[in-house]
Amino acid sequence: EPEVTQTPSHQVTQMGQEVILRCVPISNHLYFYWYRQILGQKVEFLVSFYNNEISEKSEIFDDQFSVERPDGSNFTLKIRSTKLEDSAMYFCASSGTGGSNTEAFFGQGTRLTVV
Amino acid sequence: QKEVEQNSGPLSVPEGAIASLNCTYSDRGSQSFFWYRQYSGKSPELIMFIYSNGDKEDGRFTAQLNKASQYVSLLIRDSQPSDSATYLCAVNGYSSASKIIFGSGTRLSIRP
Repeated sequence: EPEVTQTPSHQVTQMGQEVILRCVPISNHLYFYWYRQILGQKVEFLVSFYNNEISEKSEIFDDQFSVERPDGSNFTLKIRSTKLEDSAMYFCASSGTGGSNTEAFFGQGTRLTVV
Repeated sequence: QKEVEQNSGPLSVPEGAIASLNCTYSDRGSQSFFWYRQYSGKSPELIMFIYSNGDKEDGRFTAQLNKASQYVSLLIRDSQPSDSATYLCAVNGYSSASKIIFGSGTRLSIRP
């Protein structure tokens, strides 16, 4: 069964460093998403990406964040200068046709720890 | 007003009983509604989706949607200990078609 894969599963980084989280969405999907979940809190929307550009983004997704689809399979989230409060689980998701009638499937997540 | 609201629980249900989970949403134009299950430390797993008013059944799960009341629910019949998890309601808006918003989740505990 097709699945979304994320690497690494756990990343530890020093405050101020740049991190890149990687995702391989399901191959025929068109919409890609990043979410984060701070320990004990809700799953928060960061950004959605369609047709090689950002479709929607939240207030959390400020200038420190960027997304890219560098080739036909990978989808990345970059945090330029990490802060302690960026420590969270980051989930990538993808959906088929987006719009209002499709469901999103999640990867297993990357646990980011900023020290 | 929160976009997607759920009772945080915990909701405790005896094994074999029906668990009922509820969710309300604020965007009247919302089109798509999802229920995800999340075990501790794991990613959300899609278990049901519903787009039209009424009921949708899949095995032991039934999703119910009432757009007039802006209300979605999930029923789990014959609850099993393995159903113990946090259940997340998620909504995809009409005005924000590529933005799936999650509620804070309801923690369900099935007691043997």
